[in-house]
Amino acid sequence: DTAVSQTPKYLVTQMGNDKSIKCEQNLGHDTMYWYKQDSKKFLKIMFSYNNKELIINETVPNRFSPKSPDKAHLNLHINSLELGDSAVYFCASSLTGLEGEAFFGQGTRLTVV
Amino acid sequence: AQKITQTQPGMFVQEKEAVTLDCTYDTSDPSYGLFWYKQPSSGEMIFLIYQGSYDQQNATEGRYSLNFQKARKSANLVISASQLGDSAMYFCAMRVVGYGNKLVFGAGTILRVKS
Repeated sequence: DTAVSQTPKYLVTQMGNDKSIKCEQNLGHDTMYWYKQDSKKFLKIMFSYNNKELIINETVPNRFSPKSPDKAHLNLHINSLELGDSAVYFCASSLTGLEGEAFFGQGTRLTVV
Repeated sequence: AQKITQTQPGMFVQEKEAVTLDCTYDTSDPSYGLFWYKQPSSGEMIFLIYQGSYDQQNATEGRYSLNFQKARKSANLVISASQLGDSAMYFCAMRVVGYGNKLVFGAGTILRVKS
């Protein structure tokens, strides 16, 4: 009964490939996010969705395309992978509003070779 | 724009002692929330504590307390009676309503607890 689950946990792929990361939450939250954690551990918001609608796209290259088929799912598709895309990608969810803490998935470690 | 600054890249503390992790924030919005997260070496993000900008009392959760000084725009995390399992990366984060509900994170502080 994991609250926020994302798959896969590890992803190793070659440059130029296309890959997807899936995320599902069973908390009934209305907001979902994708964060990228770089090699220096810095966490940066990529996308924020509220009730399936894109709210934030933080100047992410358009090779990254999020898709939210419903409130409980937010998937991330990445085209033409580059070496610089190597990072840990976290899915998270929360209630809308100031107080709701964000619950994070376990992270997906993407390595582009 | 919102910004979180954590000036301590790394900290050491002796087991059973208290430690303070610093966090300063910058926002012009009067309504905001401040969060602390723990990231152990296993990589998961664990929520620790929340403080709202209008809360009169400092937040506490077990051994964690948040020293909120609004005028100084600081939200330091205090961990009492440190345990070896507290060794981890700690992130301060802020949310301002109206910006997609996003959390803006600081660079983090690595805490090492010595036995």
